[in-house]
Amino acid sequence: AQSVAQPEDQVNVAEGNPLTVKCTYSVSGNPYLFWYVQYPNRGLQFLLKYITGDNLVKGSYGFEAEFNKSQTSFHLKKPSALVSDSALYFCAVRDMNRDDKIIFGKGTRLHILP
Amino acid sequence: EPEVTQTPSHQVTQMGQEVILRCVPISNHLYFYWYRQILGQKVEFLVSFYNNEISEKSEIFDDQFSVERPDGSNFTLKIRSTKLEDSAMYFCASSEGAGWATEAFFGQGTRLTVV
Repeated sequence: AQSVAQPEDQVNVAEGNPLTVKCTYSVSGNPYLFWYVQYPNRGLQFLLKYITGDNLVKGSYGFEAEFNKSQTSFHLKKPSALVSDSALYFCAVRDMNRDDKIIFGKGTRLHILP
Repeated sequence: EPEVTQTPSHQVTQMGQEVILRCVPISNHLYFYWYRQILGQKVEFLVSFYNNEISEKSEIFDDQFSVERPDGSNFTLKIRSTKLEDSAMYFCASSEGAGWATEAFFGQGTRLTVV
């Protein structure tokens, strides 16, 4: 069965420093991988996705993510964090050989310290 | 930019009552979903819907739940007899395709409070 693991409940980063939010996945076939962000009292906003091709994908708000097939990881990164990046981040996976649902990780709260 | 809209934003209901949560997906999308998020917990898949029928549902989506696309634009989630544990944020989503390289777009959510 598909699954997504986000090992950190919370990540604290000083403003201006690089940030990484970790994600590992498990699927039976080839994965489609996504990152979503949720601001307080808001819905989920799509950030970026990996389908195929370049292992480094770029998305909204300066975020990028690196797909690593051997480690089954898809970590979210940003070179220089902003206070406004503070939010809840969800990694998600869809198994392209199976059903159409997207499975979400439990979320990681990113706290950027001014 | 097209978006998924959900109404109401907040619904309070008494235990045992029926509720209907409404969603208007993005107009050219073909696949529709309901997810829920219990406060402070993960986002859980409930059901997916395509071509006027359920394509997949989770264990959470029992006989108390139903979905409908009554008029080609709205997509509703009905809970027949609400329980306290149904209190959660319910998110509707839609996507152009499924099993493709397409992301789902989410609405702002309906916060359901069962008292």
